[in-house]
Amino acid sequence: GESVGLHLPTLSVQEGDNSIINCAYSNSASDYFIWYKQESGKGPQFIIDIRSNMDKRQGQRVTVLLNKTVKHLSLQIAATQPGDSAVYFCAEGGATNKLIFGTGTLLAVQP
Amino acid sequence: DAGITQSPRHKVTETGTPVTLRCHQTENHRYMYWYRQDPGHGLRLIHYSYGVKDTDKGEVSDGYSVSRSKTEDFLLTLESATSSQTSVYFCAIRGSVRGDEQFFGPGTRLTVL
Repeated sequence: GESVGLHLPTLSVQEGDNSIINCAYSNSASDYFIWYKQESGKGPQFIIDIRSNMDKRQGQRVTVLLNKTVKHLSLQIAATQPGDSAVYFCAEGGATNKLIFGTGTLLAVQP
Repeated sequence: DAGITQSPRHKVTETGTPVTLRCHQTENHRYMYWYRQDPGHGLRLIHYSYGVKDTDKGEVSDGYSVSRSKTEDFLLTLESATSSQTSVYFCAIRGSVRGDEQFFGPGTRLTVL
């Protein structure tokens, strides 16, 4: 749980601000991408996904942007709340049955 | 939660002892995965299963074996535990080959002394 946050890049934001978490993926053949949220002591929780034929997808307070040219994925969280504090992982998948996960970013929301 | 349980949730064992972790799902999903999570490494795939008695290796499979005798259970065995296998282990399930996200269990914290 708590050890997940060690050695991770950290994004610190004020409550109410928007957060942007970035991820560089490795495989240009990946055709879908997922963002997960992991709170301390819990398993990763699905947030939102996007297919490679899309550039943007919106959910509730979250938006994922995909830039295939530079193999970059971002997660935008609007009006960040204390409950958003967690580690966020991106994952990429394709024709195999497996996902490749990034190492994660720790989001710390300051009251 | 997506109907996934893991047991035990915590275990402390000694080097050289065998350890079996269990993942149980109630979703009737075809695909099941075992990951380990360590600081600085994120989630790394150990083994996965694409059906009953059908398994394949992931990127960190050395020292681990798996079995899946029925759809709902996926077992991870450390035949002779080592201190380097101290980690948090997560099971995940997935419904179809492409496009469906993986749902994760709550994790098992294993300490090998």
